[in-house]
Amino acid sequence: NAGVTQTPKFRVLKTGQSMTLLCAQDMNHEYMYWYRQDPGMGLRLIHYSVGEGTTAKGEVPDGYNVSRLKKQNFLLGLESAAPSQTSVYFCASSYGVQPQHFGDGTRLSIL
Amino acid sequence: GESVGLHLPTLSVQEGDNSIINCAYSNSASDYFIWYKQESGKGPQFIIDIRSNMDKRQGQRVTVLLNKTVKHLSLQIAATQPGDSAVYFCAENRLSGTYKYIFGTGTRLKVLA
Repeated sequence: NAGVTQTPKFRVLKTGQSMTLLCAQDMNHEYMYWYRQDPGMGLRLIHYSVGEGTTAKGEVPDGYNVSRLKKQNFLLGLESAAPSQTSVYFCASSYGVQPQHFGDGTRLSIL
Repeated sequence: GESVGLHLPTLSVQEGDNSIINCAYSNSASDYFIWYKQESGKGPQFIIDIRSNMDKRQGQRVTVLLNKTVKHLSLQIAATQPGDSAVYFCAENRLSGTYKYIFGTGTRLKVLA
């Protein structure tokens, strides 16, 4: 019973590098989300998906792209990393508008 | 992780005492609220929720109170235990029936032995 699994757990990038954060859920949830968590701020929604093959922008989408090719997976991409993207990234999933289940986060540092 | 919680308000409570954590929300139209617990290095974990047509809801050792007049939400933890040490934050659903939540910044609860 894994729930929501995020990989990697930690990563350090140099400015301008690209990478993909992976999220997998085994609860057959339709909805999936990517958030970032920064000191002194609440979770902020980056992108979300309401079903396989669909994605939409959240509150802070700039500099990120996402894909939902399979129902259980939601990928977050940084095409050209910037120091402002240093954060802890959380993936979540939910059944409809029910409370979201979160992964344990990816701690990303951009130098 | 720890770096996220550096500037959070902290509530220190003796083990066995009751804890009360508060949250002010901003939108009087919000109609659904959730409390989450976040342990160090972990993701947020659902604790309890309440809809705006209720004033109080109880779970196992936890109670959520909602005061719509002053837009205030509180989480009460009875007989606080060391395992309750974590950051607690509330989330409000601003668009009824959607996934769009506004998350609070949280309060760190420290349980003193």
